[in-house]
Amino acid sequence: ETGVTQTPRHLVMGMTNKKSLKCEQHLGHNAMYWYKQSAKKPLELMFVYSLEERVENNSVPSRFSPECPNSSHLFLHLHTLQPEDSALYLCASSQDTGTAHYEQYFGPGTRLTVT
Amino acid sequence: KQEVTQIPAALSVPEGENLVLNCSFTDSAIYNLQWFRQDPGKGLTSLLLIQSSQREQTSGRLNASLDKSSGRSTLYIAASQPGDSATYLCAVTPAAGNKLTFGGGTRVLVKP
Repeated sequence: ETGVTQTPRHLVMGMTNKKSLKCEQHLGHNAMYWYKQSAKKPLELMFVYSLEERVENNSVPSRFSPECPNSSHLFLHLHTLQPEDSALYLCASSQDTGTAHYEQYFGPGTRLTVT
Repeated sequence: KQEVTQIPAALSVPEGENLVLNCSFTDSAIYNLQWFRQDPGKGLTSLLLIQSSQREQTSGRLNASLDKSSGRSTLYIAASQPGDSATYLCAVTPAAGNKLTFGGGTRVLVKP
């Protein structure tokens, strides 16, 4: 596999379920990101990890819990979601974060539907 | 707080016509600006990246200009094809940090 992969590609879950989204990057990058793309809203940054440490949490509700066990893997644990959380969740990676620009590479996304 | 706006939200053109997509941003203190393509339900593909010191970038039929002082960028796609149908997003990186701020996108339909 090359680039940034995400699984599952589609997920339907009830409001009481617990599920996890997985992202894996095969680019040797140190930084990983979660974005949310809702209908009719711009892409929103949710979390940023650099070298497995969370460096940004963009006021995301606690029902979304990220985990970065190593620099190649990023998870988004979901519990007690609301229907308005239905969206496309995109993962991205870059060489690093910080003042110098590093291009971000995006995965294909997970389409989440909360019923 | 940086805000990025893309107008129009949707655009439909006949095949062969040139496409002009606009992006504006409120804070001119940017490091660079990127244009992305997104096919329905898919991730983002980077098309062009313009550094803040540059005025334009070209790749094949694509040309992106940047006027940092006025907070504007334009993506030109020459001789459009049905395969160009997609949503085009612009995003800016601030002068400090790596946090992209995205516009809402322009959905393009090129009719054969």
